[in-house]
Amino acid sequence: QVQLVESGGGVVQPGGSLRLSCAASGFTFRNYGMQWVRQAPGKGLEWVGFIRHDESNEYYAESVKGRFTISRDNSKNMLYLQMSSLRGEDTAVYYCAKAYGYNYASYYMDVWGKGTTIAVSS
Amino acid sequence: QSVLTQPPSVSGAPGQRVTISCTGSSSNIGAGSDVHWYQQFPGTAPKLLIFRNNNRPSGVPDRFSGSNSGTSASLAITGLQSEDEADYYCQSYDSSLSGWVFGGGTKLTVL
Repeated sequence: QVQLVESGGGVVQPGGSLRLSCAASGFTFRNYGMQWVRQAPGKGLEWVGFIRHDESNEYYAESVKGRFTISRDNSKNMLYLQMSSLRGEDTAVYYCAKAYGYNYASYYMDVWGKGTTIAVSS
Repeated sequence: QSVLTQPPSVSGAPGQRVTISCTGSSSNIGAGSDVHWYQQFPGTAPKLLIFRNNNRPSGVPDRFSGSNSGTSASLAITGLQSEDEADYYCQSYDSSLSGWVFGGGTKLTVL
């Protein structure tokens, strides 16, 4: 079945780096854009970033721009989120999600992983 | 605060109808970007509930429906059931931000 599984979460010190992974299965990964969404403890959902199916473009929320980088390996059905200069406010559950739509204005997230937790703390 | 505005909470008795509003602006909903809705239970990942304004994925009961007007959207839930108690989020695309945005979320309590 269609599945996304995140990994790589943990505790990291402020200013540190971490790379999250998302393993996709059950669909043709190379055909779909992918999203990262996070949720701080007790808070709502926050869009983090998006990568097109062919890696031709990436988009980021202002809160992470310049610090986070999304990449993917279509040969391995893997999505990544490289996070650097981490701050306390980056503490959250990070979800990867499959994007579906015919243009950016119609994109929604039809499949979600269960999430991986990042805690930024000294 | 969120680009899309939702009420923090709504409530209703079993069997009643409730609506959750999602107010945006001319750069997202008002610009014609589709609105999608997600349902999230505590400790679990969000689940797609309504896509492209008023479409239900397979398996979502027809008690859930969505609508849009101008710069706002609404999620309606009829025949409220205890298992509907969850957090609900709207989502759209914002052309000014060149990114996707969520509402702050609404906690639905079934009395």
